[in-house]
Amino acid sequence: GAVVSQHPSWVICKSGTSVKIECRSLDFQATTMFWYRQFPKQSLMLMATSNEGSKATYEQGVEKDKFLINHASLTLSTLTVTSAHPEDSSFYICSAGGQARNEQYFGPGTRLTVT
Amino acid sequence: GQNIDQPTEMTATEGAIVQINCTYQTSGFNGLFWYQQHAGEAPTFLSYNVLDGLEEKGRFSSFLSRSKGYSYLLLKELQMKDSASYLCAAMDSNYQLIWGAGTKLIIKP
Repeated sequence: GAVVSQHPSWVICKSGTSVKIECRSLDFQATTMFWYRQFPKQSLMLMATSNEGSKATYEQGVEKDKFLINHASLTLSTLTVTSAHPEDSSFYICSAGGQARNEQYFGPGTRLTVT
Repeated sequence: GQNIDQPTEMTATEGAIVQINCTYQTSGFNGLFWYQQHAGEAPTFLSYNVLDGLEEKGRFSSFLSRSKGYSYLLLKELQMKDSASYLCAAMDSNYQLIWGAGTKLIIKP
């Protein structure tokens, strides 16, 4: 149980285009989903926390107009990187909160490369 | 401020035991997590401690001392596949995970 999927697993896009990443909880409902970014040889950095049916809470320094998060249902959250630039190239990982507040289940990650 | 410290890199020999230490400072505390992350993959959950003491799970054990803000992950009977980064993360009063930079563990034959 507690499986989280992400799609796509990797994507290459041209600078200036937008990319949407989906995060799904496959066998449970997730009221809260988290989006992380990880640059090479660095740890995970929380970008935003999204709650189903409400606006996402962004961490300091993360542009909410650039990284659009939608959590339209209890099993799906999407992250859209708008007007992507090469510096947005990173590993994006989502996690879904479980029933207990100390539970987080991670997706497999999405490797984004912007050329 | 909130902070997690763990060694950047460690090297150990196949079949041996290695202990990876982690110290933390957070606003409130709701548990200490250890994750394993292989290159290019997402973290996978290893352990969770919220009470003081040792939790053993097969070859892996995790220890927590809340009064000292200290945890360690103990890996026994090391295998080559254990070569990975090990991430320590503390959950603060808002149930947010504060992540360490990770310890890269290199296993040598």
